[in-house]
Amino acid sequence: ELKVEQNPLFLSMQEGKNYTIYCNYSTTSDRLYWYRQDPGKSLESLFVLLSNGAVKQEGRLMASLDTKARLSTLHITAAVHDLSATYFCAVNTNAGKSTFGDGTTLTVKP
Amino acid sequence: KAGVTQTPRYLIKTRGQQVTLSCSPISGHRSVSWYQQTPGQGLQFLFEYFSETQRNKGNFPGRFSGRQFSNSRSEMNVSTLELGDSALYLCASSLDAANQPQHFGDGTRLSIL
Repeated sequence: ELKVEQNPLFLSMQEGKNYTIYCNYSTTSDRLYWYRQDPGKSLESLFVLLSNGAVKQEGRLMASLDTKARLSTLHITAAVHDLSATYFCAVNTNAGKSTFGDGTTLTVKP
Repeated sequence: KAGVTQTPRYLIKTRGQQVTLSCSPISGHRSVSWYQQTPGQGLQFLFEYFSETQRNKGNFPGRFSGRQFSNSRSEMNVSTLELGDSALYLCASSLDAANQPQHFGDGTRLSIL
């Protein structure tokens, strides 16, 4: 059974600081997604990573994928309050079926 | 372009009842997946439908079922409701390409009394 582990589960950061969220998964896959969820809201797609070495960047967020290590990272640069949310990684093994990590709740403090 | 629409947004039921949730995918999307989100178990995959056929299934009891219509709209049914079924049920649609992310609706929050 596929396992997806994120860490940390909770992250409190100061504005302007950098940090990385890690996503490890237990089976071979080259399709990994990152989503953001705000409190009381649905999930918003952030990044789609489809091959080993893939790197995507959007604003202060950068995601990467290492399929050999079965590891994806979401790097936050110079955090701002608007980035406060819960971030999920999800591994896709069959079209339409994704296994999600437990999520990382990020709080950015002034 | 309209997003994924789920109805109703909120629902309160009692144990033993049954419930039907509806999901209208983004126009052109043929794959519809359902997920259950709870504080304790996180996001768990229920099932996925494509072209009116169930293509993938998660590890949920048979009380959870679904179907998809020819216009790709999908319904999920839960029978003999239990307290543990209280959750946010999310529907997601995609273009059925592995390189495409899933687009999620706002969910139906189901509370069982």
